[in-house]
Amino acid sequence: DIQLTQSPSFLSASVGDRVTITCRASQGIRSFLAWYQQKPGKAPKLLIYGASTLQSGVPSRFSGSGSGAEFTLTITSLQPEDFATYYCQQLTSYPCSFGQGTKLEIK
Amino acid sequence: EVQLLESGGALVQPGGSLRLSCAASGFTFSIFAMTWVRQAPGKGPEWVSSIGSSGSNTYYADSVRGRFTISRDNFKNTLYLEMNTLRVEDTAVYYCANTPTVLPGIIAYYFDYWGQGTLVTVSS
Repeated sequence: DIQLTQSPSFLSASVGDRVTITCRASQGIRSFLAWYQQKPGKAPKLLIYGASTLQSGVPSRFSGSGSGAEFTLTITSLQPEDFATYYCQQLTSYPCSFGQGTKLEIK
Repeated sequence: EVQLLESGGALVQPGGSLRLSCAASGFTFSIFAMTWVRQAPGKGPEWVSSIGSSGSNTYYADSVRGRFTISRDNFKNTLYLEMNTLRVEDTAVYYCANTPTVLPGIIAYYFDYWGQGTLVTVSS
């Protein structure tokens, strides 16, 4: 099974900051990683798939990079609506796995 | 507009059964794989089961294999999850999600549209 480990688990930042979240896979998954944003009481929302492809309608301040086993999600110029929990996900082989999450809080 | 609407969640006793449904609209349901993902209170998402576009291929998490059955009706644009022998640890919000792949023919799935979720509570 492929394990995904996110870091950090918690992140405190201010509006306007640039933040980076890392997701490491226990084995190579080429560029087949997705990122989601989740707010309390809501379903996860797809931000990025294929490691770097921005889902339609997602603001361009979100970007993803990486391949193999290390990936990053970067948010430039944080907006108030960006404070949420972020998850990475892979389904290149079953079982599908999610990272444990990164909670982004307002400083 | 893509819509996924889950139903069937309820309070059930341990050992009981439930059938969840997910009604899809706004896209060509029959050409996409579909997935159930659950989320226990205060926890991250957990993959439960996926099914191929035709319904011939099904996949399960170890935690539910042998107890849950995923199926679909492409004429009714509906996804199902039959849950038997429910346990307290199955308590969660259950989401259905459309499951496209990054490249045709490649196992590289992600979840682009999600329903609002349906709550399953297993408790005596």
